[in-house]
Amino acid sequence: KAGVTQTPRYLIKTRGQQVTLSCSPISGHRSVSWYQQTPGQGLQFLFEYFSETQRNKGNFPGRFSGRQFSNSRSEMNVSTLELGDSALYLCASGGANTGELFFGEGSRLTVL
Amino acid sequence: GNSVTQMEGPVTLSEEAFLTINCTYTATGYPSLFWYVQYPGEGLQLLLKATKADDKGSNKGFEATYRKETTSFHLEKGSVQVSDSAVYFCALSDLVDSSYKLIFGSGTRLLVRP
Repeated sequence: KAGVTQTPRYLIKTRGQQVTLSCSPISGHRSVSWYQQTPGQGLQFLFEYFSETQRNKGNFPGRFSGRQFSNSRSEMNVSTLELGDSALYLCASGGANTGELFFGEGSRLTVL
Repeated sequence: GNSVTQMEGPVTLSEEAFLTINCTYTATGYPSLFWYVQYPGEGLQLLLKATKADDKGSNKGFEATYRKETTSFHLEKGSVQVSDSAVYFCALSDLVDSSYKLIFGSGTRLLVRP
């Protein structure tokens, strides 16, 4: 069974640009969550999607958005990038309602 | 709100030493508890879990017991290997309106020397 796949793995952007990250969950998983990991703030929850609906959102500005498609694949978008958005963005998918999440390798974003 | 506190690292051990990484939590209700491991340049891997009080999660020689009375979920391993060098995260699942999210501790870096 394939794991969670995230693309791209690495990307470099400049301030003011926007970025879109993609995530394909484990087959059969309908819940997709996104987390931001930085050295200063650690792992922080961005949002969670289930059946194309955002069910939960973390404390991030509106520049951070996401969506989920009918095949459960998800994208997140960050607009008007700031230096502080440099981070590892992790996508996770979940199956049964246990809170158990399976993570991808992450997309490492560097903002210059 | 719910939170997780882990011991500060780095923890440096010699190969075959005993490992304990402390984790305590604050939560309303009875969340599931997890340990995740992150190797350099990689995402998070689920190491073990416990879903109710007194449950013991175990995997690859690592163990942790869900202690409701002390609100703890300490990670232990009897004999560490160099390949165990990684960052370990304790986490709890927070249920909000049918949506789960994980709340993580700050992570503990483990370095095992040969």
